[in-house]
Amino acid sequence: DVKVTQSSRYLVKRTGEKVFLECVQDMDHENMFWYRQDPGLGLRLIYFSYDVKMKEKGDIPEGYSVSREKKERFSLILESASTNQTSMYLCASRRTPPLAGGEQYFGPGTRLTVT
Amino acid sequence: ELKVEQNPLFLSMQEGKNYTIYCNYSTTSDRLYWYRQDPGKSLESLFVLLSNGAVKQEGRLMASLDTKARLSTLHITAAVHDLSATYFCAVDRPGNQFYFGTGTSLTVIP
Repeated sequence: DVKVTQSSRYLVKRTGEKVFLECVQDMDHENMFWYRQDPGLGLRLIYFSYDVKMKEKGDIPEGYSVSREKKERFSLILESASTNQTSMYLCASRRTPPLAGGEQYFGPGTRLTVT
Repeated sequence: ELKVEQNPLFLSMQEGKNYTIYCNYSTTSDRLYWYRQDPGKSLESLFVLLSNGAVKQEGRLMASLDTKARLSTLHITAAVHDLSATYFCAVDRPGNQFYFGTGTSLTVIP
């Protein structure tokens, strides 16, 4: 079974702090993704990566950066946390189609509160 | 910009009844995915639909895809309480981007 893990389930940070969210997958997937999920807005893509050291902006990259130094690990960085970044953050990974069905496998999520 | 619309957004149904959730999307795609999310939990993959006319079934859930109509349906047969969750469809586009629908929150009432 694919396993995607995230470093924290719950996190509380202060405005202006630098925040690191880490995601690790154990299935050698090429692609990894960071989303945020907010009530009424669904899932929105922040960044994704299709290879080590490669990254692409998603729909809402402002205020975030990412790092992928190893294939299994994808980090999301909030350079200076703000209250409007309070959200549920979901990491996902997948194989590049057509090697498999192409579905994304999600981690358990990190609920971040910025005060 | 690709839009993925689900309806209904909220669905309250009695146990034993049948119902269908609809997922419309605005541009061509040959891949469509259905996910389930329980409250406070992450998303779990339910179905992967990879071609026009694809139909997948698992238990009381059946998903289908009509790429010409840009429509997927998730049909629930004889609903049970355990099916209460939020269901998302997602469309896969070139460039490795998924576009998710807003979700359908299903509550099955005894």
